[in-house]
Formats: sequence, structure tokens, C-alpha cells
Amino acid sequence: NAGVTQTPKFQVLKTGQSMTLQCAQDMNHNSMYWYRQDPGMGLRLIYYSASEGTTDKGEVPNGYNVSRLNKREFSLRLESAAPSQTSVYFCASRAITEAFFGQGTRLTVV
Amino acid sequence: QKEVEQNSGPLSVPEGAIASLNCTYSDRGSQSFFWYRQYSGKSPELIMFIYSNGDKEDGRFTAQLNKASQYVSLLIRDSQPSDSATYLCAVPVGGGADGLTFGKGTHLIIQP
Repeated sequence: NAGVTQTPKFQVLKTGQSMTLQCAQDMNHNSMYWYRQDPGMGLRLIYYSASEGTTDKGEVPNGYNVSRLNKREFSLRLESAAPSQTSVYFCASRAITEAFFGQGTRLTVV
Repeated sequence: QKEVEQNSGPLSVPEGAIASLNCTYSDRGSQSFFWYRQYSGKSPELIMFIYSNGDKEDGRFTAQLNKASQYVSLLIRDSQPSDSATYLCAVPVGGGADGLTFGKGTHLIIQP
């Protein structure tokens, strides 16, 4: 039982480059999320998907796009990376009484 | 916007003692809460979900919810050095699937 799997684990981008972070869950959860975690700022919600086919903005959506490919997969895309997007990114999936996180992606934009 | 407040610490507790971590929240209508543990460089791990007023126990962990005073706490009995981590409190944003709002966490250090 893998839970929530996200790739890659590490990435270095140059300013202006694009990339997609992948996330998949095997717990049959309807809801999936992308968070970023920065020192002193805690975990902040970027985008979420309450069910397959729906996505909504969270607290810090600017500079990001998402796709809920199917019930299992939820991807996060940076179209033109900026140094301010240097962070640790976590994917999560949730049922009412539980929410589990992926291993995280440490992204550095130079 | 729901807010969750935690003392950032560090909170230092001797090995074998009870560690008490607290979290206050702004929305009186909040019904449920999550506690997570996060080791440095790792992802948050779910410890406990609590919904009802009162205590919920799971092994060495006890979560306490007091809706009247708008706080939720986590007690760790017989603290071990391996419990040294950052503990995060979280509350659902909406009634359904709108994500969790997290506190910034309390850094706990268990001293051998």
C-alpha cells in the first residue's frame, strides 16, 4: 500500500523553465491537495480538487496550474518558474477522518 | 479565513515525562481537528483525528478537544527521544473537501 506517491523528490530549475509535479494516491480518496511549505510560513494550500474533474484555488495559487487527471492523479504545473517558488511541495489526499501526505518535492529555482 | 495558532517552541521535555502541545483556533464553528508529526526534512505524518469534545487516546497519544474554549491539545505520555519533531495542528477549511488549514507547528525536543 503506497499511499500518496509524488515525483520527483528533488528538482532544480532555472528561472523561466517549466515543470510538472506528479502525484498519485491509491486510497480511493475523492479529495486531493497541493501544499507548499516554507520556513516560518507553515503549510499553505496552493490548489485542491474535491473530486475528479474539479479543481479550486487555495491560499497561494498564483504561478501554478493543476490537473486532476483521474481519481488517482493530481498534477501541479509551474509554467514559468520564479525564485519565489523555491519551496518544498507536498501532495495530499483526504477522506473525512484522515489525510495523508506524499514524501515531498524539494524545488529550487535559480 | 480560519486561523490556527501554535506556540513555535522549542518545547523541551525530559525523557519519560508527559509532553503537552496546544493549539487554539479562531472559528467557533470548527468541528474537527488533525494532529500531525513532522520530522525535519520529512512529510507530515498523521497522528490523530478528533471530532468530539473530550479526550481521544491512541497508544501514548491523547488528544483533547475543548470547543467552548476553542483549543485542542495533544499529550504524549512516556516521551521518547524519537518523539522529537515538529507537531502540527490542522482544521478543515470547509465542511467538505476544501483542504486543511495548518498551524505553524510546535518544535518538541525530548531530552535523554
